[in-house]
Amino acid sequence: ETGVTQTPRHLVMGMTNKKSLKCEQHLGHNAMYWYKQSAKKPLELMFVYNFKEQTENNSVPSRFSPECPNSSHLFLHLHTLQPEDSALYLCASSQDREATGELFFGEGSRLTVL
Amino acid sequence: AQSVTQPDIHITVSEGASLELRCNYSYGATPYLFWYVQSPGQGLQLLLKYFSGDTLVQGIKGFEAEFKRSQSSFNLRKPSVHWSDAAEYFCAVGARGQGGKLIFGQGTELSVKP
Repeated sequence: ETGVTQTPRHLVMGMTNKKSLKCEQHLGHNAMYWYKQSAKKPLELMFVYNFKEQTENNSVPSRFSPECPNSSHLFLHLHTLQPEDSALYLCASSQDREATGELFFGEGSRLTVL
Repeated sequence: AQSVTQPDIHITVSEGASLELRCNYSYGATPYLFWYVQSPGQGLQLLLKYFSGDTLVQGIKGFEAEFKRSQSSFNLRKPSVHWSDAAEYFCAVGARGQGGKLIFGQGTELSVKP
């Protein structure tokens, strides 16, 4: 596999469920990101990890919990979400956080919260 | 405040016609500028980027963009649009040392008429 892979591609969950989104990059990059894409709104940066360390939490509610066990894998753990959290969640990677900012994106996980 | 504005939410052009998508930014530091494209159900793909030097940059799929510092603009152009260019286009701004902390515009949806 190449690039950035996200699973699942689609997820429907109730407000009391716990689920996780997974991202894997095969590019040898050291920085990984979660972005949220809501309809008619600009992409919002949620979290940044650089060499497995979280370097940015963009005031994200605690019902979103990221995990980065190594430079190739990134998870977003979800619990007690709200319907307004329904969105496309995009994972991205870059060479490292100090690089030029060229991001490589996955295809996204479409989340629907009922 | 740092921001990216894409004034056109939706544009329709005829196949073979020229295209220009507008992007204006407000950013405190020397900007790095990007255009990404997102096809339905897909992640974002980098079209082109500007870091420094020649203000006219060439990208993939026949796209180009021109950086105009005096106008704080980075407009995307293509001389002849193909039906496969129908997608959503995002302008983004970042800076050296900011890694993937890009600020995205709201996006411009491009439709192509046969």
